[in-house]
Amino acid sequence: GDSVTQMEGPVTLSEEAFLTINCTYTATGYPSLFWYVQYPGEGLQLLLKATKADDKGSNKGFEATYRKETTSFHLEKGSVQVSDSAVYFCASPFQGGSEKLVFGKGTKLTVNP
Amino acid sequence: DAGVIQSPRHEVTEMGQEVTLRCKPISGHNSLFWYRQTMMRGLELLIYFNNNVPIDDSGMPEDRFSAKMPNASFSTLKIQPSEPRDSAVYFCASSLLESGTDTQYFGPGTRLTVL
Repeated sequence: GDSVTQMEGPVTLSEEAFLTINCTYTATGYPSLFWYVQYPGEGLQLLLKATKADDKGSNKGFEATYRKETTSFHLEKGSVQVSDSAVYFCASPFQGGSEKLVFGKGTKLTVNP
Repeated sequence: DAGVIQSPRHEVTEMGQEVTLRCKPISGHNSLFWYRQTMMRGLELLIYFNNNVPIDDSGMPEDRFSAKMPNASFSTLKIQPSEPRDSAVYFCASSLLESGTDTQYFGPGTRLTVL
């Protein structure tokens, strides 16, 4: 069945370090792919998305490229800040095109000054 | 613009009591989702509606849980009777489904504690 697998955390980095959080998916066809972020005490919010293969989503210095060859959508940021401390979720539509999303288990990122 | 509104933000109740969580989606959105988040199980979809009609309730844990959407601007999730294992953060999300999947906008959540 459809699923999303993301790197387990927690991840702890120093400010200005490089960040990668891995995400791979199994799905029917080429669905849209999403990264959501959850700041402490808040609901999830969309960070970025890509709607087709080879697309790159970007926002707030974060990037992720939809790679169909490796069925991956890894999240990267060149220089993290303390304010990036949050939980990051990769998500993909259930069965390729449903409005129902399948979320990864989340990766907690802590950035220390 | 107002986002998704949930109430209450925090609820503490005793086992056996009825609990009602409320959600107001973003105006104009036609899909609404209820999720539950716990440390052990992560984020789980409980039920979702499209144009006020329940489409998939396969995530509802058991008959103690029920959800309604009487109109496009209001939904409730009810637990009766509540149990300690229902303690979690419950999120409501809405989206405008135009073609395929679209971005879901989450509310701030209701933190439920059942004693």
